[in-house]
Amino acid sequence: KNQVEQSPQSLIILEGKNCTLQCNYTVSPFSNLRWYKQDTGRGPVSLTIMTFSENTKSNGRYTATLDADTKQSSLHITASQLSDSASYICVVSGLSQAGTALIFGKGTTLSVSS
Amino acid sequence: GAGVSQSPSNKVTEKGKDVELRCDPISGHTALYWYRQSLGQGLEFLIYFQGNSAPDKSGLPSDRFSAERTGGSVSTLTIQRTQQEDSAVYLCASSLNRAEAFFGQGTRLTVV
Repeated sequence: KNQVEQSPQSLIILEGKNCTLQCNYTVSPFSNLRWYKQDTGRGPVSLTIMTFSENTKSNGRYTATLDADTKQSSLHITASQLSDSASYICVVSGLSQAGTALIFGKGTTLSVSS
Repeated sequence: GAGVSQSPSNKVTEKGKDVELRCDPISGHTALYWYRQSLGQGLEFLIYFQGNSAPDKSGLPSDRFSAERTGGSVSTLTIQRTQQEDSAVYLCASSLNRAEAFFGQGTRLTVV
C-alpha cells in the first residue's frame, strides 16, 4: 500500500536553532515529492518539489533532500524564525494510473519559541 | 477561478443535523481531494476524485459521509446526522493530474 510517514509528529525548538523533519514513503513507482507549509488557519502552500534525479534543493532557509533508493526525504530549516511555526506536510506523487495520484503525510507540527 | 474556493468558511451546526461543504477547484484541474484536520491532528485523507469519478474513497470514516463531483468541477462533501467528533477543518485541494496540489482555506465545522 502506498504510504507516506512523517516524523516527528511535533517539534518545539528555540528561535535561531536548526531542525530537520523526516519523510519516508513507500509510493512506487515514484514521480515526485513536495514539501508544503501550512500556517495556522490557512491551507498548505508548496515549498519545494523534488524529482527522482534530484538529491537536494534549497528555498531560502529551507533545504530539502531526497534519497530515492531508501525512499526518504528530509526538510532542513536553518536559523529558525518565529514565522517558521507551522505544519509541514510531505506529499508524494506516484506514476500508477490506479488509486490516489497524490499521497499525503499527516504532517509535522513545528513550534519555534523565543 | 484564481484559487481553490471553499464555502462556508465556518459552519456551526447542531448534533444530528446534515451539513454540506462545497469546494470550487481551480478551473481545469482534474484531480480533487478532500481532507480533514481535527484539532491538533494531522491531515486525514477522505476521498479523491479524478474527473467526476472517485477512484479512492477509502478515507470516508462512515456511511454518514458522502461526496460528489459534477461536471468535473465543483465538489460537495455531505455529512449526515453530524456528531461532535465530526468537528474539524475540512480542506479541499485540486491539482492537474499529479502536479502541485493547491489547497483551499478550509471549512471549520463545529458540531454542538
